[in-house]
Formats: sequence, C-alpha cells, structure tokens
Amino acid sequence: KAGVTQTPRYLIKTRGQQVTLSCSPISGHRSVSWYQQTPGQGLQFLFEYFSETQRNKGNFPGRFSGRQFSNSRSEMNVSTLELGDSALYLCASSPRDRVDEQFFGPGTRLTVL
Amino acid sequence: AQSVTQLDSQVPVFEEAPVELRCNYSSSVSVYLFWYVQYPNQGLQLLLKYLSGSTLVKGINGFEAEFNKSQTSFHLRKPSVHISDTAEYFCAVSASSYNFNKFYFGSGTKLNVKP
Repeated sequence: KAGVTQTPRYLIKTRGQQVTLSCSPISGHRSVSWYQQTPGQGLQFLFEYFSETQRNKGNFPGRFSGRQFSNSRSEMNVSTLELGDSALYLCASSPRDRVDEQFFGPGTRLTVL
Repeated sequence: AQSVTQLDSQVPVFEEAPVELRCNYSSSVSVYLFWYVQYPNQGLQLLLKYLSGSTLVKGINGFEAEFNKSQTSFHLRKPSVHISDTAEYFCAVSASSYNFNKFYFGSGTKLNVKP
C-alpha cells in the first residue's frame, strides 16, 4: 500500500497570503489528522476529520481550517498568513475510527516571508 | 487531560553504546503507546507500538520498549546504537475520549550518536 502523501512538500509564501495543503491518506483509512510542528512548540494538534466531519479541533485561530472529501483526502487552509505560521505541517491517517494508530506523511514545509 | 513527558530533550551517546530514551505518561485509563522517529525534514516514522499483550515490544532498527503500567512508563532502548540512529524520537499516547481516541505527543528527545 502506498503511504500517506502530502503535497506540496515545500512552499514559500508571504505574509497576508493564504495557502492550501493537501493530504492523501493510506487507502482505506478514513480518519485524517493534521499537526503543526515548530522548534519552539513541538507537535501541536490542529484538527481531525473522519468521514468528512471534523471530530476534534486543537487550539488554533480560525485562520486555520480544513476539510475532508468523500474519498478521504483532506486539505487544510491557512488564511492571512503570519510569520509564525512557518512550520512543518504533518498529516496522519488512521485505519480505524478510534484513531488508535496513526501513520504520518512526509510533511509540507511552509515558509512565510 | 493526558500528558506525555520525555525527560531528556537531548541524549548524546557514542556509537555502539547502549541508549535509553525515557517516556512517562499520565493516565488512569487504557492507553496505546507509540515511539516515532523523525529524521531532518521528514515526517514521523513508527518505530514500535504497544496496543496489548506482551509488555516488551520490539520494533524496527533494533529498538525495543517496555510498557510499565505501575510506573506509567514506556522507555525506549537499544543495546548498541549506530550513527544512523541520530534523529529525534517522539513518544506518543493514544487515549480513549468518548467514542474515539486522541493522540498526545511528548516534546521529543534528540539522540546524537557520536563516532
């Protein structure tokens, strides 16, 4: 089976712009979670989707949003980018609805100038 | 709320020496436990997991971990490290929350293997 894929792998944006990141889970996985990783804050949970519904959300401002499609692919969007949004954004998929295991993609490195 | 504590932010060790990376968690309910490894500019790769059964879990690259319920620990060990083991290691806990589980990650331990 192919692993979790994320596109693009690298992205450079300027402040004020918006960005959309994409994640394709492992085939058959219906749960997708997003994390932000920075050197100062470590791994922080953004949100989790299951069957196109957001089930869980972390403590991030409304500028961060996401969605999941019927084929389980997920996108996350960040509007009005700030310098502090520069991070590695990781997507993980789970084989069961209880999210008792997670498999991670390679991440998207976002740099905001 | 759950918490995962990785006591050492950095662990320097010489090649071929043994290493232990410590992880403690807070939980009074059933949990699943994981160790992930992250190489620079890459995602997290699963090293090993404890879901149930034997408390000694063997993973990839010669790593193993022992689940100790009474001490709420899940320390990662390797008897002889290689230069290629230099990476950051994350302990994670998946705990039940209503009808699904939530993942909690430790702050990571950077393992630096020296020749």
